[in-house]
Amino acid sequence: DIQMAQSPSSLSASVGDRVTITCRASQIINNYLNWYQHKPGKAPKLLIYATSSLHGGVPSRFSGSGSGTDFTLTISSLQPEDFATYYCQQSYTFPWTFGPGTKVEIK
Amino acid sequence: QVQLVESGGGVVQPGGSLRLSCAASGITISNNAMHWVRQAPGKGLEWLAFIRYDGSNENYADSVQGRFTISRDNSKDTLYLQMRSLRPEDTAVYYCAKDLARIYPEYLQTWGQGTLVTVSS
Repeated sequence: DIQMAQSPSSLSASVGDRVTITCRASQIINNYLNWYQHKPGKAPKLLIYATSSLHGGVPSRFSGSGSGTDFTLTISSLQPEDFATYYCQQSYTFPWTFGPGTKVEIK
Repeated sequence: QVQLVESGGGVVQPGGSLRLSCAASGITISNNAMHWVRQAPGKGLEWLAFIRYDGSNENYADSVQGRFTISRDNSKDTLYLQMRSLRPEDTAVYYCAKDLARIYPEYLQTWGQGTLVTVSS
């Protein structure tokens, strides 16, 4: 199975900060990398698919990049509604696997 | 309103069975591949199962292979997860999710709110 690692596991940031979360796959997954946002008690939401494509309705402050095994989610200016846990996920091959998550908290 | 609504969760004893349902509202899922994902208490997301739009192909995580079965009834726009031989470690919130694609899965485009399954004696 492909293992997904994320860093950091958590971070504290202020509104307006630029935030970067990294994701590393245990083998090359081409661009089959997706990012999701999850808030407690809510349905997870797709943010970015295929490494860098913004899902419809997602604010442009979210962006994704990377290739091969290393990927990044960037929030250019953190907003109050962005405090949540973020997961990367590979769709290169079954079984699909998620990273352990990065919890973004208010500083 | 476009949404997926899971139901069927509850408390079940170890070794027991449960069937979850996922009904589409405001959308149709008959042309989309579908998935089940879960989140155990205090843990991250775990992908569990996939089914093609027409039910012609399924795939499972090792942790549930042979115990869980994904199925669908497109005439009812409903997805199912039959869970057998349940273990305490299966305790989680279970989500259904709609894929963009019909055959070759791409990503989890739309998610339900989840239903809680508790396996305990």
